[in-house]
Amino acid sequence: DAGITQSPRHKVTETGTPVTLRCHQTENHRYMYWYRQDPGHGLRLIHYSYGVKDTDKGEVSDGYSVSRSKTEDFLLTLESATSSQTSVYFCAISEVLASPYNEQFFGPGTRLTVL
Amino acid sequence: DQQVKQNSPSLSVQEGRISILNCDYTNSMFDYFLWYKKYPAEGPTFLISISSIKDKNEDGRFTVFLNKSAKHLSLHIVPSQPGDSAVYFCAATPYNNNDMRFGAGTRLTVKP
Repeated sequence: DAGITQSPRHKVTETGTPVTLRCHQTENHRYMYWYRQDPGHGLRLIHYSYGVKDTDKGEVSDGYSVSRSKTEDFLLTLESATSSQTSVYFCAISEVLASPYNEQFFGPGTRLTVL
Repeated sequence: DQQVKQNSPSLSVQEGRISILNCDYTNSMFDYFLWYKKYPAEGPTFLISISSIKDKNEDGRFTVFLNKSAKHLSLHIVPSQPGDSAVYFCAATPYNNNDMRFGAGTRLTVKP
């Protein structure tokens, strides 16, 4: 299994509070991603990173920011959480050169509930 | 704008029979198509993939078929086993890998 951990695994918070989710990898992969999974939508890309301090927006980036100060860590921040951000969040990594079919490896997920 | 669609939310088959999961896409820029399998409380795991230059890829019990003209792909599992019970996501991506789109998933149940 790819070495990907996410913390926390579960979090309950209140509307308006800031929340930061952490993804940590031990594979030294270049690309890191944050997805959210919601019923009826599958997984949707929030933000991704293609290197230290290099990030870009995905399909559903509004209300989220990310940072990557080290190769192994990718942080997802909800500046002011809303109930619509209640979801399961997955981190993923990939190394394109080693994977011709663009395979991504996923972490175990973080279940976030915003009350 | 859902570019990848899995129109069957669930599928139930008997152990030993064939499972066929379907996926349709709308974006002709997709170069690679992947299937992921997800168990409860775990992250998705890669199962099998196919390039747009091929029409079939096989890996053991799993075969993926691609029909580019119809913008349709399917995953065949033969024979199906109870351990195959999971949610299966179809995904598609252009070559640069930065915009992978997923379908909503199909929950497969294989009955003993």
